[in-house]
Amino acid sequence: GAVVSQHPSWVICKSGTSVKIECRSLDFQATTMFWYRQFPKQSLMLMATSNEGSKATYEQGVEKDKFLINHASLTLSTLTVTSAHPEDSSFYICSATDSGRAGEQFFGPGTRLTVL
Amino acid sequence: LAKTTQPISMDSYEGQEVNITCSHNNIATNDYITWYQQFPSQGPRFIIQGYKTKVTNEVASLFIPADRKSSTLSLPRVSLSDTAVYYCLVLGGQGGKLIFGQGTELSVKP
Repeated sequence: GAVVSQHPSWVICKSGTSVKIECRSLDFQATTMFWYRQFPKQSLMLMATSNEGSKATYEQGVEKDKFLINHASLTLSTLTVTSAHPEDSSFYICSATDSGRAGEQFFGPGTRLTVL
Repeated sequence: LAKTTQPISMDSYEGQEVNITCSHNNIATNDYITWYQQFPSQGPRFIIQGYKTKVTNEVASLFIPADRKSSTLSLPRVSLSDTAVYYCLVLGGQGGKLIFGQGTELSVKP
């Protein structure tokens, strides 16, 4: 149990376009979801915390107008990278907390974004 | 949030036991210690979590001394497939955001 999926697994887009990444909890309800970004050979960097039905909380230095997060249901959160540029190319990972299993986060498989 | 410190890299050979130590001097009373494993281009995978003393599951053991200022992840008889980055994190009892440190890149050689 406690599976988190992401879609797409990889995406290539042109500079200036927007890309939406979906994060779904498949067999549990996730009141809180998190979005991370990971550059090659680096650790995961937390971008934002997403709570169902409320605005996301962004970490310092993360542009909220560029990285739009929507958590419309207890099983779905989306990250939209607006007007993507090559420097946004990265590995984006989401995670979700199962409210019934406090303290444990379940991670998605990640989405590789390449901006040309 | 408690900061963690762990070795950047470790080398081992197949069949050996590997111990990765993490220090978390500022751990709070209600914090849990959690370890994740990450393979290239994959999301982190939960390995083990503990609060004090020793925890063991089918994958690893976690040793936590009485002062809880450090912890040791023990991987018995590693194989080539255990080559990965291992992250030690401290998490509040009610859940919450995880701040990843640099992790330990474990390389298992034949």
